[in-house]
Amino acid sequence: AQRVTQPEKLLSVFKGAPVELKCNYSYSGSPELFWYVQYSRQRLQLLLRHISRESIKGFTADLNKGETSFHLKKPFAQEEDSAMYYCALTGGGFKTIFGAGTRLFVKA
Amino acid sequence: ETGVTQSPTHLIKTRGQQVTLRCSSQSGHNTVSWYQQALGQGPQFIFQYYREEENGRGNFPPRFSGLQFPNYSSELNVNALELDDSALYLCASSPGRGKDYGYTFGSGTRLTVV
Repeated sequence: AQRVTQPEKLLSVFKGAPVELKCNYSYSGSPELFWYVQYSRQRLQLLLRHISRESIKGFTADLNKGETSFHLKKPFAQEEDSAMYYCALTGGGFKTIFGAGTRLFVKA
Repeated sequence: ETGVTQSPTHLIKTRGQQVTLRCSSQSGHNTVSWYQQALGQGPQFIFQYYREEENGRGNFPPRFSGLQFPNYSSELNVNALELDDSALYLCASSPGRGKDYGYTFGSGTRLTVV
């Protein structure tokens, strides 16, 4: 079965501090992993995809198949990073599963 | 690009009624997925359509059904509404069928069942 776990509902950091949003997944095959972000009063939007190995807005995410994790990291958090972040997995049957989300709050 | 648009934005229905939610996908996107998002939870996958055929389904009963049309529009139909169907319903489109692309989301339809 596919499952995505985001263990933290809320993460609060100071501006300029490093931030790591955790994502663990369960899937027996080769999934594709994504991070989505929802800023206040905006729609859900794709932040980055594992397959493209990209860095968006200073965020990166590394897939660790041994630990089945896909944590999202940024070395220096900014106030505008405050948002809801969702980790998502697409596996067999073209089924995409989302985690429950982590609210990031960056304090000035 | 016009993005993904959903209608209506809000809807109130009575238990037992039927509802149709509509979505217009981003131009050129052949894949559309529908999600249910309850308060405080992540989006839950309902089903996915690719070129007008369902090609993936989540753990939702058959009273949740859908259609996709050649003009990049789609519908989510829910029969025999229950109180627990109250949620935000999201439509999302993708340019391809594969796993790699990620989705462009609409703003959602807030359904309240009373």
